Amino acid sequence: NAGVTQTPKFQVLKTGQSMTLQCAQDMNHNSMYWYRQDPGMGLRLIYYSASEGTTDKGEVPNGYNVSRLNKREFSLRLESAAPSQTSVYFCATPTEGGEQYFGPGTRLTVT
Amino acid sequence: GIQVEQSPPDLILQEGANSTLRCNFSDSVNNLQWFHQNPWGQLINLFYIPSGTKQNGRLSATTVATERYSLLYISSSQTTDSGVYFCAVPMNYGGSQGNLIFGKGTKLSVKP
Repeated sequence: NAGVTQTPKFQVLKTGQSMTLQCAQDMNHNSMYWYRQDPGMGLRLIYYSASEGTTDKGEVPNGYNVSRLNKREFSLRLESAAPSQTSVYFCATPTEGGEQYFGPGTRLTVT
Repeated sequence: GIQVEQSPPDLILQEGANSTLRCNFSDSVNNLQWFHQNPWGQLINLFYIPSGTKQNGRLSATTVATERYSLLYISSSQTTDSGVYFCAVPMNYGGSQGNLIFGKGTKLSVKP
């Protein structure tokens, strides 16, 4: 039982390149979230998915797209990476009672 | 939207000392979480505490929902307690799966 897993752990991109961050959970939860964490800050919501087949924008969605592939997997795509997207990205999933569990994070640098 | 403020922003302790971290929030909430972000960046769940008091080893937390604050107590601190402590509340009050709004954290350094 791994909980929430994310790949890759680290990535360096050049401006304009694209990539997809992967997240999977084995907790059988309906909702999944993508957050970003910038230096000295708490986390901010990028996109979320309340259930399989649905996605909605969060606080900072610009420059990102998401896909809820199935109940287990929720991916985040950067179509044309920018230096402002240098950040640590966390995937999370809540229990029915609302307690959220986070993955280990992906550290992304865009040069 | 709801605001979450944490204090102090930075805290330096000698090993063995006790500390209290505070989290104030600007609106009614139906749950609150405390996390520890260790030096490797992992977010570790400490407490899920909408109200009342919970204890887990040397750590305990109290949330007074009616007064819109929560406290995290760390007793007999150890160097492994170092890191950043975040509190977070759901944006959608009344919903059980609201997106979390995070405070900016308290950075704790425990010196040997």
